[in-house]
Amino acid sequence: QTVVTQEPSLTVSPGGTVTLTCASSTGAVTSGYYPNWFQQRPGQAPRPLIYSTDKKHSWTPARFSGSLLGGKAALTLSAVQPEDEAEYYCLLYFDGVLVFGGGTKLTVL
Amino acid sequence: EVQLVESGGGLVQPGGSLRLSCAASGFTFSSYWMHWVRQAPGKGLVWVSRISSDGSGTNYADSVKGRFTISRDNAENTLYLQVRSLRVEDTAVYYCASLTNGYWGQGTLVTVSS
Repeated sequence: QTVVTQEPSLTVSPGGTVTLTCASSTGAVTSGYYPNWFQQRPGQAPRPLIYSTDKKHSWTPARFSGSLLGGKAALTLSAVQPEDEAEYYCLLYFDGVLVFGGGTKLTVL
Repeated sequence: EVQLVESGGGLVQPGGSLRLSCAASGFTFSSYWMHWVRQAPGKGLVWVSRISSDGSGTNYADSVKGRFTISRDNAENTLYLQVRSLRVEDTAVYYCASLTNGYWGQGTLVTVSS
């Protein structure tokens, strides 16, 4: 069974920068896994942020960026705002089956 | 305006069945793969199933294979998920989504309990 692993929690100061990562139990994450990133605030549906590693939706704030970093998919938030406090999920594609990571709870403090 | 509106959730006993629906509007539904994703109370997101744009191809998570069936009616712009042999652990909010263009519904709650 394929497992996708994210940091359970991270804390960042307002105005700071933080990087969330997404690892696969099968090995290095590449662009062929089409990494997606989602933000979810309590009581709300997930909000897509990034698709195909680094592509942004029209509504994605410029301070969010996606990349590959050290064999993992990564989501970097720059100039973090208080409203960025949320749960963040990555999603990887494995030959017809998709798997979400367990999520990272980002605290802005 | 793009809308994905799920319906069909509710309270069902273990072993029971439901059919979830997702009505799409505001985009060319028939051109996109569609997905179901679920989230148990207080837990993370779990991908459930996907279906190709013309309905000819489907994939399922191991946890639901053989019990859930995804389908679509492109003439009615509607996605379905037939859920059978329900277990307590299937209790979740079920979302439909077009992952390609980032469209998600607000979800429908399925509660499996005796």
